[in-house]
Amino acid sequence: DAGVIQSPRHEVTEMGQEVTLRCKPISGHDYLFWYRQTMMRGLELLIYFNNNVPIDDSGMPEDRFSAKMPNASFSTLKIQPSEPRDSAVYFCASSGTSRETQYFGPGTRLLVL
Amino acid sequence: SQQGEEDPQALSIQEGENATMNCSYKTSINNLQWYRQNSGRGLVHLILIRSNEREKHSGRLRVTLDTSKKSSSLLITASRAADTASYFCATDAKSSGDKLTFGTGTRLAVRP
Repeated sequence: DAGVIQSPRHEVTEMGQEVTLRCKPISGHDYLFWYRQTMMRGLELLIYFNNNVPIDDSGMPEDRFSAKMPNASFSTLKIQPSEPRDSAVYFCASSGTSRETQYFGPGTRLLVL
Repeated sequence: SQQGEEDPQALSIQEGENATMNCSYKTSINNLQWYRQNSGRGLVHLILIRSNEREKHSGRLRVTLDTSKKSSSLLITASRAADTASYFCATDAKSSGDKLTFGTGTRLAVRP
């Protein structure tokens, strides 16, 4: 099993640009989670899906952030427009059931200049 | 505020010594999990302990859970340089639906 796949691994962009992060969860997993990790705030849950349906987006910082899961094997997290304070590592994780092990992808390191 | 908070924030030990990290949480839980994160990598699940369990072992890892004190500890025995990483506890709180809440982490450095 390839595990959770994220792309790109690194992204450098300028303030105001649109950023799209991508995630392929482990096949057969029903849950997909998007997290953001910074030194100041630690690991924060942004949004999670169950069977492709967004369940809780209360962690999404503001309207500039949006996430979709058009099918069981693909999800995107979009930031438009991006700002320097969005610089962080963004992780995608998936799990078979919500309360058991979450499998994390390698993360996307985003730098907004 | 964080559901899980680890203590200490950083720990430096010599190879071969034992490392103990603690996690405190605030509300009732279904289970508590420990994860490891190597520098520049994603988190990796280490062990899960359910609320009705008091101790669990996995290789050189030993986890304890005290629900009366709302705390857990992770013991790594006979540490190795490869154990150098950040360790996070994550709680599945009964009040949080499907979400895991991660603590602030303990940075462990094992000196060869």
